[in-house]
Parts: sequence; C-alpha cells; structure tokens
Amino acid sequence: DAKTTQPTSMDCAEGRAANLPCNHSTISGNEYVYWYRQIHSQGPQYIIHGLKNNETNEMASLIITEDRKSSTLILPHATLRDTAVYYCIVRVTGSQGNLIFGKGTKLSVKP
Amino acid sequence: DAGVIQSPRHEVTEMGQEVTLRCKPISGHDYLFWYRQTMMRGLELLIYFNNNVPIDDSGMPEDRFSAKMPNASFSTLKIQPSEPRDSAVYFCASSARRDTQYFGPGTRLTVL
Repeated sequence: DAKTTQPTSMDCAEGRAANLPCNHSTISGNEYVYWYRQIHSQGPQYIIHGLKNNETNEMASLIITEDRKSSTLILPHATLRDTAVYYCIVRVTGSQGNLIFGKGTKLSVKP
Repeated sequence: DAGVIQSPRHEVTEMGQEVTLRCKPISGHDYLFWYRQTMMRGLELLIYFNNNVPIDDSGMPEDRFSAKMPNASFSTLKIQPSEPRDSAVYFCASSARRDTQYFGPGTRLTVL
C-alpha cells in the first residue's frame, strides 16, 4: 500500500471549514483514499473514501487531485466535536491488504 | 444496531496473570479485526478473521497472544501470561467489506 504524508497538527475555528491535506504521490491506479478519525479515548471512525472522483457524504467531502497524488478532506462547518486525529490511508479496496494507520493529523477546533 | 461491543472497558491486572478481552461484532459482518494502540507504536493490526476463520495473524506479537472466534457473534483475545509491555488499548473492529471497518470503544489494559 502507498505511503501517505499528513501534517502533524492543524487548528480550525469553530464554524469554519477544516481542510485536511494528504499527500500520496506513490498511489497506484487501483488504490483508494480512505479517511478515518479518532476522537480522544474512542475507536477510529470511518469518514469517507474515494478513487478519483470527488466524494461527499453527511460527514465530509473528499477532493482528490486529477493526478491522484494528493487529496483534501473537508469538514464544511467544523464543531468542537470534530477535534480528533484524522488518518489518511491508501489501499486497494477489498484486497487482502490491511488498514495501515500512520500518525495522522491532530485537528483542534477552537471556539 | 448497537455497534461493536467490547468488554471489559478497563482491565487492570498483575504481571503473569491471564487476560481475556471480548468482542461482539456488528451483526451480519463477516470480518473481525483485533488492533492494539500504544503511544510508541500507534495503531497496529494484530489478527483478523473472515467467516470465523483466522486469515492473518502476522501482527500477533508472540505466542503469549491468542485469538479465537467460535461463532459469528463473538471473539476473544487472550494474553497468557501478561507482561507490563502489553499495556495498551485493544480495539476490535468488524466489517461487511474489508475496507470500511467499524471499531468498538476499546479495552484499556494495564498490566502492573
């Protein structure tokens, strides 16, 4: 599975959009981009995933660049409850590969 | 659905004792995963099952660790004997497909 690079930490004002970047320059054509987050003292939570088209669900939007070498997770109106560590993971969906969690980005939403 | 259920939520034991962690996956999910999380090593996959059969246990640290899944609704992770370095948060996750995993609340294990 391709390696990902994320900033260690980010701050965001409550009510503003939080844009979390992820670099995955070695991504293969059949690898998807997944986002999970982990709120303090809880288990990781699935957010969204995509291959090459932009994706949106009730939690967030995922923007993948045309060359697929990077992506951005967007939380449109961040709340204090969105404070968490956000993990960007690249893997072949349905494959025998496992989710490999890196260090992620610690997002702090401030009032 | 209640989600993935783990018990106990907290466990404190002494070195050398046997520890058993329990997990009930989401009904209908045919994949079950055990992870361990520490500050030093982050979140690591220990073992996963498909249809109650262990598929990959390469992440199990050593023979002191064992995991079973006797039926589709129950799994255990056992450590015998436990050591202080086993102190961590242990998560169970289940999935209907291997990519979207749903995690339980975790068991915080402290071995004194």
